[in-house]
Amino acid sequence: GEDVEQSLFLSVREGDSSVINCTYTDSSSTYLYWYKQEPGAGLQLLTYIFSNMDMKQDQRLTVLLNKKDKHLSLRIADTQTGDSAIYFCAEKNSGTYKYIFGTGTRLKVLA
Amino acid sequence: DTAVSQTPKYLVTQMGNDKSIKCEQNLGHDTMYWYKQDSKKFLKIMFSYNNKELIINETVPNRFSPKSPDKAHLNLHINSLELGDSAVYFCASSQAGTGELFFGEGSRLTVL
Repeated sequence: GEDVEQSLFLSVREGDSSVINCTYTDSSSTYLYWYKQEPGAGLQLLTYIFSNMDMKQDQRLTVLLNKKDKHLSLRIADTQTGDSAIYFCAEKNSGTYKYIFGTGTRLKVLA
Repeated sequence: DTAVSQTPKYLVTQMGNDKSIKCEQNLGHDTMYWYKQDSKKFLKIMFSYNNKELIINETVPNRFSPKSPDKAHLNLHINSLELGDSAVYFCASSQAGTGELFFGEGSRLTVL
């Protein structure tokens, strides 16, 4: 079945870059997403990438996709304390309505 | 204007009770979802409706029953609540295309 894995914790210093990794098993995934969840709130979409792309950049965010290894990463440049949150990757096949979420990575930014 | 709104935000109840959580979206989306987030923050899909029709029904106890009176509303009713039902329940909606999911703020259910 589908499975999406992430490391549970990441700690970085303010101003450094953060890299959050995700691996998935469904080779037919068409869309891959990164969501951010702040304490006591719902998830908000940060960015997404189509499976036919290798990279997408959006201001401080860079998404890299290695389709062969089924590996997705999110790089946050110049990480700020406001970036402290839980980050979820998610995948979806274009033929379904089902979004499968990863286990979430808790990012802690140290001042 | 809140895009996806859930009520109540907090719910504390005794084991064995029946409770409902309501969800409404004003985005004009066709598809709505219920997700359960446990204490470890793992997010699992429970149900999905597309234009009032049930399209996803994961392995969820039949004490949980979703109802969609129209495509803007998706409610979740839970019978005979158990301790293990304690979690945050998120409603979400999406439209076709890239299908971004829009989440509500969550409803924290605590069963004592």
